[in-house]
Amino acid sequence: GAVVSQHPSWVICKSGTSVKIECRSLDFQATTMFWYRQFPKQSLMLMATSNEGSKATYEQGVEKDKFLINHASLTLSTLTVTSAHPEDSSFYICSAPKGKTSGRDGNEQFFGPGTRLTVL
Amino acid sequence: SQQGEEDPQALSIQEGENATMNCSYKTSINNLQWYRQNSGRGLVHLILIRSNEREKHSGRLRVTLDTSKKSSSLLITASRAADTASYFCATALADRGSTLGRLYFGRGTQLTVWP
Repeated sequence: GAVVSQHPSWVICKSGTSVKIECRSLDFQATTMFWYRQFPKQSLMLMATSNEGSKATYEQGVEKDKFLINHASLTLSTLTVTSAHPEDSSFYICSAPKGKTSGRDGNEQFFGPGTRLTVL
Repeated sequence: SQQGEEDPQALSIQEGENATMNCSYKTSINNLQWYRQNSGRGLVHLILIRSNEREKHSGRLRVTLDTSKKSSSLLITASRAADTASYFCATALADRGSTLGRLYFGRGTQLTVWP
């Protein structure tokens, strides 16, 4: 199977600072990656779609200026949580489909191991 | 809002028993996928069933899909303690205007299998 990594696996920061989370596809290229956040014992909520070579597409209710996404290459997407506050504390997970995502079918996603963000 | 809803929210069984989890969704889909998540970890893809399929098997897993009822079920047969995890259904919507590949997850079922 395909491998997706995330870095860091956990981070603790002070309120008001910015935190960058990296998502890498290790053995395949991903023109699209997805970012989710997950609160304890809850579901994954899709935040945004990261597109290589173009702007990210954000889900309704997600602040694009708060959660900056940069898809720097075919194997790397970064999520920067700007001016983090305690309510931003969450588990952030990225995923990438392997292969072309066709108009008729969504491919299975390969997920990173997640990043636990704690904002003090 | 979440596209899918699983039930039960929690399921506790003994090893060797079968576990059945259900998922309902709201809008038309291209496919429905089931994922497993161990506590504090990423998700692992289990099985994908397309909208024109009714049943699919993979090892001890059996998935059904009823598009008329907008529901799916995941059956794990002969469960093992190692099956203990959260199980999520995720839908890939049929909306042609949406970004391809986006998945919308249900709330999940926490399965505990006792040895």
